[in-house]
Amino acid sequence: TQLLEQSPQFLSIQEGENLTVYCNSSSVFSSLQWYRQEPGEGPVLLVTVVTGGEVKKLKRLTFQFGDARKDSSLHITAAQPGDTGLYLCAGRDTGGFKTIFGAGTRLFVKA
Amino acid sequence: GAGVSQSPSNKVTEKGKDVELRCDPISGHTALYWYRQRLGQGLEFLIYFQGNSAPDKSGLPSDRFSAERTGESVSTLTIQRTQQEDSAVYLCASSLFSGGTGTEAFFGQGTRLTVV
Repeated sequence: TQLLEQSPQFLSIQEGENLTVYCNSSSVFSSLQWYRQEPGEGPVLLVTVVTGGEVKKLKRLTFQFGDARKDSSLHITAAQPGDTGLYLCAGRDTGGFKTIFGAGTRLFVKA
Repeated sequence: GAGVSQSPSNKVTEKGKDVELRCDPISGHTALYWYRQRLGQGLEFLIYFQGNSAPDKSGLPSDRFSAERTGESVSTLTIQRTQQEDSAVYLCASSLFSGGTGTEAFFGQGTRLTVV
């Protein structure tokens, strides 16, 4: 069974601080995605990483896929209240079929 | 439609009753997923449909849960003899099947089920 573990589960920080959330597994994934979910809405895709070691930047967000394609990180620089939400990582298995999700990191950025 | 549509958006039911949740995926998306999200939690995989292949039912929590999908269209998730522990938001997502690389899963807004 493939599992994705996210840490921390909950993070409360002040506006302007930096943070990193992690997504780890003992399994290899063909790709990994990060989603953000706001209350009352479904998750929305932020980024997909495919190649081991890949780094992608989306404004103040930096995503990295581990060399072995088993883990990933999301770094947010100078967090803003608008970044508040549930951040979910999702891995697609190497057979290309099912996508599984981690339990998420709930981020709260205080003004 | 332009996105994934789920109905009803909210459902309150009495313990022991059956409920049926509906998902209309994006046209042309061959993959369809159902997830359950309890309050304040992440997404729990329930079932996955890919085209006309046999569905992956490995996430269904009990035999009270079942789901169907006709071809690449509408899917229904049925919960029989509902229990209070079934209260959650049930999310449906669809995506293109790309045979191994990542493709975006588009989510509906979910059905909030409350069992009283």
